[in-house]
Amino acid sequence: DIVMTQSPDSLAVSLGERATINCKSSQSVLNSSNNKNYLAWYQHKPGQPPKLLIFWASTRESGVPDRFSGSGSGTDFTLTISSLQAEDVAVYSCQQYYSIPLTFGPGTKLDIK
Amino acid sequence: QVQLQESGPGLVKPSETLSLTCSVSGGSISPYYWSWIRQPPGKGLEWIGYIYYSGSTNYNPSLKSRVTISVDTSKNQFSLKLSSVTAADTAVYYCARGGSWIESWGQGTLVTVSS
Repeated sequence: DIVMTQSPDSLAVSLGERATINCKSSQSVLNSSNNKNYLAWYQHKPGQPPKLLIFWASTRESGVPDRFSGSGSGTDFTLTISSLQAEDVAVYSCQQYYSIPLTFGPGTKLDIK
Repeated sequence: QVQLQESGPGLVKPSETLSLTCSVSGGSISPYYWSWIRQPPGKGLEWIGYIYYSGSTNYNPSLKSRVTISVDTSKNQFSLKLSSVTAADTAVYYCARGGSWIESWGQGTLVTVSS
């Protein structure tokens, strides 16, 4: 299984400031045949189901604000929120779909400072 | 916008079989992959398995011996059966659309395993 880890476990950022969350996979999720990274990011608020933010490591899902961006390749990835809004308080998780079983990171809890 | 809704017992006894159904509305079961994912209290998300609308399946090896996922295209539903449950199977169970990234999720249903 590909093990996903995230850092930090939690962070607090001031409104309007940048938030950066890191995700690392135990093996590369880059498919060299199509040069695509098989990685997604989700936002999970209490009492709600997770919401897809990004797939292919950097492609925003339709309707996701452009303050959310994804980057990275191979085994190291980053989710950036360029200007934190109050509604962004949530747990953020990464997920690889390079191989079965699909696996998720443990989540990073994001709060307002 | 597709909507998914889980249904089934919220309490299951140890050693029995957990059974959940996901009803899909606002779209067709075909031609998509449909997954079951769970989240134990205080833990991260765990993918259980998926089924293609045609009926082909893929399961998490850690659960494979106990899991069956099936689809009923005539009812626009798919189902999960997890046998021989223990307290470790207590979790919020989500049904979802997707076999790679997960694009749509149900609200989730808490299933507690307890006598």
